[in-house]
Amino acid sequence: SQTIHQWPATLVQPVGSPLSLECTVEGTSNPNLYWYRQAAGRGLQLLFYSVGIGQISSEVPQNLSASRPQDRQFILSSKKLLLSDSGFYLCAWRKTGTGGYGYTFGSGTRLTVV
Amino acid sequence: GQQLNQSPQSMFIQEGEDVSMNCTSSSIFNTWLWYKQDPGEGPVLLIALYKAGELTSNGRLTAQFGITRKDSFLNISASIPSDVGIYFCAGSHYGGSQGNLIFGKGTKLSVKP
Repeated sequence: SQTIHQWPATLVQPVGSPLSLECTVEGTSNPNLYWYRQAAGRGLQLLFYSVGIGQISSEVPQNLSASRPQDRQFILSSKKLLLSDSGFYLCAWRKTGTGGYGYTFGSGTRLTVV
Repeated sequence: GQQLNQSPQSMFIQEGEDVSMNCTSSSIFNTWLWYKQDPGEGPVLLIALYKAGELTSNGRLTAQFGITRKDSFLNISASIPSDVGIYFCAGSHYGGSQGNLIFGKGTKLSVKP
């Protein structure tokens, strides 16, 4: 069966520090991968998505970047965090091809920039 | 970009009440999905709808894909405390895994004080 792992679960970082959040998927190959951000109790904002290794599409210009160094690994990074980067970050994957309709989400990372 | 209008934004429920929420779009969708997010967790898929007019149930939850293909609703019957959370609708203009899902802004269910 397929599983998605996202870590860390919570993170408190000072302003100006770097960020690296990791997401890995197991039990599938060539998934579509997504990074979302959610402000407290609010909607889901798509940040990046990837349809293959090294292929990254950015939805919103911002202080963040994403990379996909391996088929089932998706990394969200920042060189210098801002206060406004605080939020709940969710990784998701989607099966490609037949039957690939819904996304499966990870359990999220709560990031607080102080 | 494309927006989904989800309503209500929030609602309070009393145990045993039925709950209804809906999503509308200005354009046609080929797939409608409903997710629930518990506090501090990622959204979990509840129901997926693939054909106009389709009515699908998952326990006390029932969702329908509107005939016009521009709307969908979710009903929860006889609500219980664990139904609290944020419910998101999502739609796709395409079949299969093409394109990205478009999410509504969510309906937050809370227990009536």
